[in-house]
Amino acid sequence: DADVTQTPRNRITKTGKRIMLECSQTKGHDRMYWYRQDPGLGLRLIYYSFDVKDINKGEISDGYSVSRQAQAKFSLSLESAIPNQTALYFCATSGPGRETQYFGPGTRLLVL
Amino acid sequence: GENVEQHPSTLSVQEGDSAVIKCTYSDSASNYFPWYKQELGKGPQLIIDIRSNVGEKKDQRIAVTLNKTAKHFSLHITETQPEDSAVYFCAASPGGNTPLVFGKGTRLSVIA
Repeated sequence: DADVTQTPRNRITKTGKRIMLECSQTKGHDRMYWYRQDPGLGLRLIYYSFDVKDINKGEISDGYSVSRQAQAKFSLSLESAIPNQTALYFCATSGPGRETQYFGPGTRLLVL
Repeated sequence: GENVEQHPSTLSVQEGDSAVIKCTYSDSASNYFPWYKQELGKGPQLIIDIRSNVGEKKDQRIAVTLNKTAKHFSLHITETQPEDSAVYFCAASPGGNTPLVFGKGTRLSVIA
């Protein structure tokens, strides 16, 4: 089984809808991250969490929110989706005090 | 904060030739520099990393070099093969509680 899983893998939604992307990990890591990938723009950090009670904004947090339900689960929500949030979304994890990140397979989101 | 520039954005090489991807960083406190490979439809995977107390690191056909004075580091792939075709990302971090900052990526195509 994969160490970092993301659900759904693909999602099509309409403008104004609320959607949630979920991430689970079995690596036992305390740190989790959400990134957005757009062509030519690389990986941009949306939110990150160093433990269950810790949530931090990244470079592009506007329009997004997160929830760290447990050490192993970190969800990303789009409260009211808009077309320019169409992108590939990745979850990643890292161990305590460790910079190396391990990525999930990604969720491809299309907002119509 | 840290800023990472990556060049080139696209690179095509003939099979068997070498490929070099270069990155520069802005924060002199950065001390950890990983490289990730992203194959089509997958999340980025760590392929090699280097810390600022080391100038060069090799792993079979791939190597990374670091010039702290100039604040740049490079990925070298020798004897390229078609399976090396992917998007490559560099990243930098000052460590501790500062997340990685990624470059915008290089799409490498190895032509058979």
